[in-house]
Amino acid sequence: EIVLTQSPGTLSLSPGERATLSCRASQSITTSYLAWYLQKPGQAPRLLIYGASIRATGIPDRFSGSGSGTDFTLTISRLEPEDFAVYYCQHYGSSTWTFGQGTKVEIK
Amino acid sequence: QVQLVESGGGVVQPGRSLRLSCAASGFTFTTYGFHWVRQAPGKGLEWLTVIWPDGSIKYYADSVRGRFTISRDDSRDTLYLQMNSLRVEDTAVYYCVRAVGPYDYWGRGTLVTVSS
Repeated sequence: EIVLTQSPGTLSLSPGERATLSCRASQSITTSYLAWYLQKPGQAPRLLIYGASIRATGIPDRFSGSGSGTDFTLTISRLEPEDFAVYYCQHYGSSTWTFGQGTKVEIK
Repeated sequence: QVQLVESGGGVVQPGRSLRLSCAASGFTFTTYGFHWVRQAPGKGLEWLTVIWPDGSIKYYADSVRGRFTISRDDSRDTLYLQMNSLRVEDTAVYYCVRAVGPYDYWGRGTLVTVSS
């Protein structure tokens, strides 16, 4: 089973700043089956990025994903007020699906 | 538009059973595989189970294998999760999720509370 470790646990930033979130896998995700989700309080998660770097439909271009192998990054170029939330990475496979523990992006 | 609506949550005693439903609309149900994902209060997301589009393949997380069963009724466009031998640690919001590899649509979730 692939274990995903996200860092940092909490990121305190101001609107307009750049956010860099990390997701490290315990073994190589060779086909880049890595997704990122955003969850706001009281809401279901929403898909942001899949295939490590492909933005989902309707996701603004301030969100970008990168990485391969075991190290993946979600970057938010300039934080908007609605971006303060919890972010999860996910490995989706053919028989196993796992989530990271989440990174909370909070207003500084 | 695509909608997934869960129902069947509630308060149940440890050891009892509960069946969750997820009614789908706005797309061709038989084309997709579906998952159940849960989130304990204040915690992260936990994958539970998946069912293939034709229902032929199902996988379960270790935490629920042998206790939970996923199924689908294509005639009703509905996904189910039969939960037996419930434990206090099963308390969570349960989400029905449509999968195209990643999860492109989520339901709003239904809360299951296991308590004596």
